[in-house]
Order: sequence, then structure tokens, then C-alpha cells
Amino acid sequence: AQSVTQPDIHITVSEGASLELRCNYSYGATPYLFWYVQSPGQGLQLLLKYFSGDTLVQGIKGFEAEFKRSQSSFNLRKPSVHWSDAAEYFCAVGAYNFNKFYFGSGTKLNVKP
Amino acid sequence: GAVVSQHPSWVICKSGTSVKIECRSLDFQATTMFWYRQFPKQSLMLMATSNEGSKATYEQGVEKDKFLINHASLTLSTLTVTSAHPEDSSFYICSATGQGTDEQYFGPGTRLTVT
Repeated sequence: AQSVTQPDIHITVSEGASLELRCNYSYGATPYLFWYVQSPGQGLQLLLKYFSGDTLVQGIKGFEAEFKRSQSSFNLRKPSVHWSDAAEYFCAVGAYNFNKFYFGSGTKLNVKP
Repeated sequence: GAVVSQHPSWVICKSGTSVKIECRSLDFQATTMFWYRQFPKQSLMLMATSNEGSKATYEQGVEKDKFLINHASLTLSTLTVTSAHPEDSSFYICSATGQGTDEQYFGPGTRLTVT
């Protein structure tokens, strides 16, 4: 069965500290993987995506993610967090033709000054 | 980038009434639109997929007679919640893909409260 697991519901980091948000997936075909960010009252914004090729992908706002097939993981990282990064982050897996996305339950990031 | 809008952004309705939510792709033609439902502190759950000019495909457990989806044009899809009940209160989000786009673009969501 297809599923996405984000084991951390809440994470708090200090501004300037590094960040890693975990994502594990279960998918029966070649996975297309995404990370989205949702700020209060706003829609989901795509941070980055992985289709194929280099397993380390760069996204917007200084985020990157690494696809590890052996671990079925697609963790999101940022070397130095800014207060404006406080939001909810969703990992998603989908099919090539985008006919269905499976979302994780989200990780809410708080940033301490 | 591609922009998807939703209207209204929030709506309050009385139990038993129907409410329509619009999803528009503003600068591209959306061949496929998706409707999601998001409960507080939970993830997005896909409700249905609609292709322009075709009937929507509903996910298992979603009542198609209650959640009517119409995708009449390449820029507009509507979700009508019929005979709404308080348990239908939720955050409804649409997304769209189209020719020339390689990802889903999400609308800002509509907060529905049924009293």
C-alpha cells in the first residue's frame, strides 16, 4: 500500500541552527517525491521535487532533500533556519502522471529566536 | 509560476444547505484538477480527481452525491457540498495540473464551517 510517514509531528529549532525533517514512503512503483510548505492561511508551496537523477536535490529557500532508495526516505534539510521558515511541512509521493498524491501527516516547525 | 485561486476563502453555512467552492487556474489550462480535504492537524486527503469535460473520479469512501464536482472548463472546477452537516466542516484545497506543467499547483484553500 502507498503511504508516507513523517514521524515528527512538531519540531522546534533555534534560529540559525540546522534542520532535518524526516520522510519515509511506501510506494509500489517508481516514486516521484515532493516537499511542500504550508503557511497559515496560505496554500501549499512546492519546495523541491525528485523525479530521477541526482539523489540530492536543491529547492527554494535554501532547502535540499536527499533521496535514499535503500531506506525509502526523502529527508528535507536546511543548514541554517530562519524565523520565516516556521510553517508546516508536508512530504508527498506521487505517480508520473500526477493522478494521485499521497501526503504525509505533516511536521510543524517552530523556530526559536 | 502557475497560480490557482479558490473562492471563497472561508464560508459559514447552516446545516442542511449546500455550498459551492470554486477553483480556478489563472494563467494556465488545467486539464486535471484535484480536490483535497484537510482536517485540523492532519494531512491532506484526496477526495477526487476531475478531468475537464469528464466525470470526476472519487476516492474510496467519498460520497459522490454529497460532494459534487464539476470541471466544465479548462480553468474552472467547482466542488459543491450538498446538504452540509457539521462533520463536513473542514479545509478544502484544490490543485491543478496542465499541459506544460510538471507539478500540481495548489490553491490557498477554503475553510468551511457548518453550523
